[in-house]
Amino acid sequence: GAVVSQHPSWVICKSGTSVKIECRSLDFQATTMFWYRQFPKQSLMLMATSNEGSKATYEQGVEKDKFLINHASLTLSTLTVTSAHPEDSSFYICSAPRAGTALTGELFFGEGSRLTVL
Amino acid sequence: QKEVEQDPGPLSVPEGAIVSLNCTYSNSAFQYFMWYRQYSRKGPELLMYTYSSGNKEDGRFTAQVDKSSKYISLFIRDSQPSDSATYLCASVTGGGNKLTFGTGTQLKVEL
Repeated sequence: GAVVSQHPSWVICKSGTSVKIECRSLDFQATTMFWYRQFPKQSLMLMATSNEGSKATYEQGVEKDKFLINHASLTLSTLTVTSAHPEDSSFYICSAPRAGTALTGELFFGEGSRLTVL
Repeated sequence: QKEVEQDPGPLSVPEGAIVSLNCTYSNSAFQYFMWYRQYSRKGPELLMYTYSSGNKEDGRFTAQVDKSSKYISLFIRDSQPSDSATYLCASVTGGGNKLTFGTGTQLKVEL
């Protein structure tokens, strides 16, 4: 079964509204989670690193005021797309390394959330 | 130049064929190499993981890393229609989990 759960899987919203996407680690704690964005037929682009108990670290070019990340607990990180516009339509995916894993780069990904902004 | 280059395909093969998927990378600091499989509209799942140069085999899958030429390969033997997916190579330097992904190769295995 899935070890990282994302919700919602699909969301359609009107331009100008905000959308929240949740990412939960199941049966393990994640002090760090990663948020990616994937456009059709393109690679996963890392947006930000979510850190439990501290501010998220954003990649260059990603607007932190537009993509709000909150790592509320050791099992939950949320991404809020504020004042969404059609160009924000994309597939958003979160991932987390299993705590205690000895393998660098062994990430477990959520099922992804497809955002469509009308 | 992207740090990890991958032919996006699509690649179409008949069932039972041997599939070869390849990536090149430019960052000499990359130490860990992964292959992720992503079905349509799903999140990626880890398929193979390698650290050093050489081969690693897991069932029908073989991952190969050649650090001297900065070349990463994934071979799929006896390919099945259920192998139809996008295969992403990824690399990371030591001490972190910030993966750099290739664009992914879309594979279709036909009956």
